Amino acid sequence: DAGVIQSPRHEVTEMGQEVTLRCKPISGHDYLFWYRQTMMRGLELLIYFNNNVPIDDSGMPEDRFSAKMPNASFSTLKIQPSEPRDSAVYFCASSSRQFLNEKLFFGSGTQLSVL
Amino acid sequence: GESVGLHLPTLSVQEGDNSIINCAYSNSASDYFIWYKQESGKGPQFIIDIRSNMDKRQGQRVTVLLNKTVKHLSLQIAATQPGDSAVYFCAEKTGANNLFFGTGTRLTVIP
Repeated sequence: DAGVIQSPRHEVTEMGQEVTLRCKPISGHDYLFWYRQTMMRGLELLIYFNNNVPIDDSGMPEDRFSAKMPNASFSTLKIQPSEPRDSAVYFCASSSRQFLNEKLFFGSGTQLSVL
Repeated sequence: GESVGLHLPTLSVQEGDNSIINCAYSNSASDYFIWYKQESGKGPQFIIDIRSNMDKRQGQRVTVLLNKTVKHLSLQIAATQPGDSAVYFCAEKTGANNLFFGTGTRLTVIP
């Protein structure tokens, strides 16, 4: 199994630009999570999906952030417009029906730098 | 509210010694706990988990201990190896809520 795949690994952009982060969960997993990691706040849950449906987006910072899951094998996290304070590592994780929202499998993350 | 914190933000251990990483939690209703290891440039990797109806659980070279009386969780790594150098996170879960992660402890193994 290839695990959770995220792209790009690194993204450098200028303030005001649109950023799209991509994630392919582990095949067969029903849950998909987007996390943000910073030194100040640690790992924060932004949003999660169950069977492609957004369940809880209370962690999404503001309207500039949006996430979609058009099918079971793909999800995007979009920031528009981006700001320097969005600089962080963004992780996607997935989990199976067996483990629900407990045992999560994480991707390698996207290091986002907004200049 | 929930609070998961670590007593020691950094820990240095001699290779071959045992490591103990501690974690405190404040929500007595938390019923599931999990440890993750995060190496530089990688995502968190599952190590071991434990439910609140258990006090101890063992894996390969790792043991998690849960003390519900003092709301304390620890991860013990036996015969620590250089490859164990990483940041270790504990996380707690209450009922159907999602995992809440602590801030992490950096473990450095000295050869």
